[in-house]
Amino acid sequence: GESVGLHLPTLSVQEGDNSIINCAYSNSASDYFIWYKQESGKGPQFIIDIRSNMDKRQGQRVTVLLNKTVKHLSLQIAATQPGDSAVYFCAEGGTYKYIFGTGTRLKVLA
Amino acid sequence: NAGVTQTPKFRVLKTGQSMTLLCAQDMNHEYMYWYRQDPGMGLRLIHYSVGEGTTAKGEVPDGYNVSRLKKQNFLLGLESAAPSQTSVYFCASSPGLAGGQETQYFGPGTRLLVL
Repeated sequence: GESVGLHLPTLSVQEGDNSIINCAYSNSASDYFIWYKQESGKGPQFIIDIRSNMDKRQGQRVTVLLNKTVKHLSLQIAATQPGDSAVYFCAEGGTYKYIFGTGTRLKVLA
Repeated sequence: NAGVTQTPKFRVLKTGQSMTLLCAQDMNHEYMYWYRQDPGMGLRLIHYSVGEGTTAKGEVPDGYNVSRLKKQNFLLGLESAAPSQTSVYFCASSPGLAGGQETQYFGPGTRLLVL
C-alpha cells in the first residue's frame, strides 16, 4: 500500500518489548485526545481516547498518558506484536474539530 | 455493520474533470466528515456535517463541495479537478454530542490521482 508519510519518525521495537509513542499537542484548551493506528493502505483505526480531566487511561495492552503541563500525550503498547506495526498518530480537539498529528511509524522486529 | 464505506477505492482523473466521492455509514451517526491525507501532513478537514441537510467548511474547503441529503450519506464533489487535489480522501463519522461520544470512525479511503 501507499505510504501516508514518507519521512515519518520511526520507532523500531523488538517483538515482546513495550513501545512508547509520543505526541506533542498544540492547544492547551483541547479537552479530548485520541490515538489512531493506521496500517498501510487502510483508514485510521481508533485505539484509545482520554479526556483532559484524566491523566491516564488503560485499554487492552494500551495505555494513554496525558501531561497537560507540557502538552504531551503518549501511547504505551505492552508486549508489542508484529500486528502492531503501523503508523500511529494522535488527535486533539473536541466536538467535531480535531487537529491530527503526522504520526510515528512503529516497526516490530522479529 | 459495515461501518463507514467509501466509493470508489481508486480513481484517476484528468485536470478539469469532475467526480463525486461517496461515503456511507450504517451506525446512525449524526456527524460526518471529509478529510484529505497528504505525505508528511496530518489529516486535514475539508468539509463536515453535523446533521442531515447541513454542511460546513473545514480547514481546506476550496475546490470541493459536499452534500448531506440523507443522514447515512455524505458526498464530496470535485467540480474541476486539479493536480493539487491528488491525495487520499477519508470519510469519517461520529455520534455527535447527542450521542455522547466524540470518537470518529474512518472509512478505508479513496486514492485520487489527478493528471
